[in-house]
Amino acid sequence: GQQVMQIPQYQHVQEGEDFTTYCNSSTTLSNIQWYKQRPGGHPVFLIQLVKSGEVKKQKRLTFQFGEAKKNSSLHITATQTTDVGTYFCAGYSGAGSYQLTFGKGTKLSVIP
Amino acid sequence: NAGVMQNPRHLVRRRGQEARLRCSPMKGHSHVYWYRQLPEEGLKFMVYLQKENIIDESGMPKERFSAEFPKEGPSILRIQQVVRGDSAAYFCASSPTASSETQYFGPGTRLLVL
Repeated sequence: GQQVMQIPQYQHVQEGEDFTTYCNSSTTLSNIQWYKQRPGGHPVFLIQLVKSGEVKKQKRLTFQFGEAKKNSSLHITATQTTDVGTYFCAGYSGAGSYQLTFGKGTKLSVIP
Repeated sequence: NAGVMQNPRHLVRRRGQEARLRCSPMKGHSHVYWYRQLPEEGLKFMVYLQKENIIDESGMPKERFSAEFPKEGPSILRIQQVVRGDSAAYFCASSPTASSETQYFGPGTRLLVL
């Protein structure tokens, strides 16, 4: 079945440093979604990428979808303590698919 | 609150008891998904339901677990004769349609089996 892998599993950064998490799928994705989960919280939808090579920005967050639609990345510029949490990528394996397959997430800690 | 609602937020059960988790989708959403999250893990798909229909339960354990989404009322995930390994966070999500739509998650039910 489809597998979605994320690296790194954990990342500790000083406040103000940049952060990147990478997501790779074993199969081509119809789209990819990114979620953030705070400790003790629930996944909160951040963004969806659909097109090959797509890049989207949300303030300090930059999301990319690979040309082959099998990988994606999330980059945070100048991290803040409010960025703390686990970032998950999740993908649908094909058009019409409704089963979201999640990566294991990257847990970000920001040291003030 | 127009978001996905789940209750209870925390549930403690002893081994062998039954657990019932409820989920009310966002207003206007008729598609409900249940996921399970173990500590330090991602979310694993369990089941997808529409009103009165189970569309896909391929992620659900064959025994002790069942789900329903009746015509009236919330979706219910039922776990019979719970075991310690059932301890996890159970999240419900909803979407307005199926097919690669954004899914919106509820706050989850944290189940602890003693």
